This record gives sequence, structure tokens and C-alpha cells, in this order.
Amino acid sequence: AQKVTQAQTEISVVEKEDVTLDCVYETRDTTYYLFWYKQPPSGELVFLIRRNSFDEQNEISGRYSWNFQKSTSSFNFTITASQVVDSAVYFCALSEVSTGTASKLTFGTGTRLQVTL
Amino acid sequence: DAGVIQSPRHEVTEMGQEVTLRCKPISGHNSLFWYRQTMMRGLELLIYFNNNVPIDDSGMPEDRFSAKMPNASFSTLKIQPSEPRDSAVYFCASSSDSYNYGYTFGSGTRLTVV
Repeated sequence: AQKVTQAQTEISVVEKEDVTLDCVYETRDTTYYLFWYKQPPSGELVFLIRRNSFDEQNEISGRYSWNFQKSTSSFNFTITASQVVDSAVYFCALSEVSTGTASKLTFGTGTRLQVTL
Repeated sequence: DAGVIQSPRHEVTEMGQEVTLRCKPISGHNSLFWYRQTMMRGLELLIYFNNNVPIDDSGMPEDRFSAKMPNASFSTLKIQPSEPRDSAVYFCASSSDSYNYGYTFGSGTRLTVV
């Protein structure tokens, strides 16, 4: 069975601080996808990134960066120079790889990030 | 692209009433998922379809819940009879293995059963 653990329930930082959100996963699959989603106060789920399990390169997108380490089954998310607009709940998720169609997403419990001035 | 469209956005109903939630996936996506979000249980998968066929409905809470996907552009999630513990936000998502940007979620339906 697949499992995603986000041990940090809530994090509070002051604007411009860097913050890292942790994600640890469990799966028996040798190939899989990992995701991060953002849920702002308005409630929608916004896709941030998808990584393949065979691609361990770290990725940077603006102030966002992701560190994927297969050896520790972790896919951590760092926001550099946080802003108030980053305040949201962030979800890490996992899916198996299948051919032709998508597989179900297993979500972590989410980390609520509060960025204050 | 209009994205995944869910209706209604909000639904308030009395216990015992039938509730139908609707979802229109992104054109060309061949997988559709229904998720429920509550404070207690987080985001949990209820059911998903591939090519309009239900693949895994193990997350459907009980017989009061049913889901259909009569064609590639429409799905419904029905609760009959509804109970207060069904109050939650219900999300529909669609995906295609051909795309690199993952699963696209609708805006959700906030259901309140009183």
C-alpha cells in the first residue's frame, strides 16, 4: 500500500524567511510519480510539480525548489524568501505509474503554512 | 481550456434528501477521480474511472454513495439518503497519462447536510 507522511502539521514563518516542507513516502512500486499541490484559503487545489521516480534531479521554479531523494524516500519542498501569498495548505501526493491511463493519487495530510509580515 | 467543471459550488440539504454532484472533466482526459476532503480524514479517494469504467470504488463509504460516468465528458456522484456526516468538500479531478502536468482538480462542491 502507498503512504505519504507530512509530519509538519503547521508552520509559521515571517515574510522573506526560507521554509522547507517535508514529505516522506512509502511504496512497493519501483516506478511512481510524486506531486505537490497547493490549497490556498479559497479552497482550490493547485498543481505545483510532478516528478518521476527515475528522475532524481532537483528542480527549481522561481522561489520554489524540490529535493527528491530516493534513498530516504523523501520529496521535500522549499520556498525561498517566503511571501504572504504563499500562505496555504500544501499537500504531497504519490501515484503509481501505469500505461495509458492515470492511477489514483494518495495524499499526505498536508502542511499549513502561515507567512506573516 | 475551461478546466474541470464541478456543480454546484455549494449545496445545503436536509438529512435524508438525495444529493447529486456533477463533474465535467477536461476534454481528452481519460481518467476521472472523486475525492472527499474533511478535517478529520483529509483528502480521500472515493472512486475513479478509466475510460468511463469504474476501476476502484473501495473508498466509497457505503451503499448510500454511488457514482456514474455515462460518457467521457460527464460524471455524477450521488448520495441517497444524505446524512450530516457526509458534509465535506467533494473534488473531482481528471488526468491523462499523456500529459505532464498531473491531475487537474475542479473547484470542489461544498456540501452541508443539516
